[in-house]
Amino acid sequence: AQSVSQHNHHVILSEAASLELGCNYSYGGTVNLFWYVQYPGQHLQLLLKYFSGDPLVKGIKGFEAEFIKSKFSFNLRKPSVQWSDTAEYFCAVTPSGGSYIPTFGRGTSLIVHP
Amino acid sequence: EPEVTQTPSHQVTQMGQEVILRCVPISNHLYFYWYRQILGQKVEFLVSFYNNEISEKSEIFDDQFSVERPDGSNFTLKIRSTKLEDSAMYFCASSEAEAGELFFGEGSRLTVL
Repeated sequence: AQSVSQHNHHVILSEAASLELGCNYSYGGTVNLFWYVQYPGQHLQLLLKYFSGDPLVKGIKGFEAEFIKSKFSFNLRKPSVQWSDTAEYFCAVTPSGGSYIPTFGRGTSLIVHP
Repeated sequence: EPEVTQTPSHQVTQMGQEVILRCVPISNHLYFYWYRQILGQKVEFLVSFYNNEISEKSEIFDDQFSVERPDGSNFTLKIRSTKLEDSAMYFCASSEAEAGELFFGEGSRLTVL
């Protein structure tokens, strides 16, 4: 079964700092990749996704992620964070064939100080 | 914007009691899911539901758990006899297609005493 690792569990940044959250997965086949975000008091929502094509995908609010197949990674980046980016970030992986059930990582809590 | 709604937002129950968590998925979605997140741990898949039956379930989803879609709108998760370790945030989600984007509810926090 596939697994998803998010190595940064808690990240604290100041506004305007750059962000990179790591996500690695273990699955040998073709995958669909997602980053979800959960703002305080709100539901999980999609930030960005990768199915195929350009491995650098852009999402909402200035976020982007790069799929590096050789490293089984899908790291999330943002060049300059804002206080409003304070949230929990979850990486998820779905195999393209077979089970379509997304597997989630444990999440990374990001706190941005103004 | 259509959304997934969950009730209750928080439930406190005694060990051994039955709990029903309710979800109203987005109306044109066909795939429904329950996930849970124990505090400080990862979001874990419980069960998926399609075409009025369970399509996949995890090893967490044992005989104490059941799901039902009693009418055209609600999707419920029942825990027959709660245990302390069932304390978690339970998320309902729906999607329009297989392997597509999941739309989540805000979660139901279950506390078992």
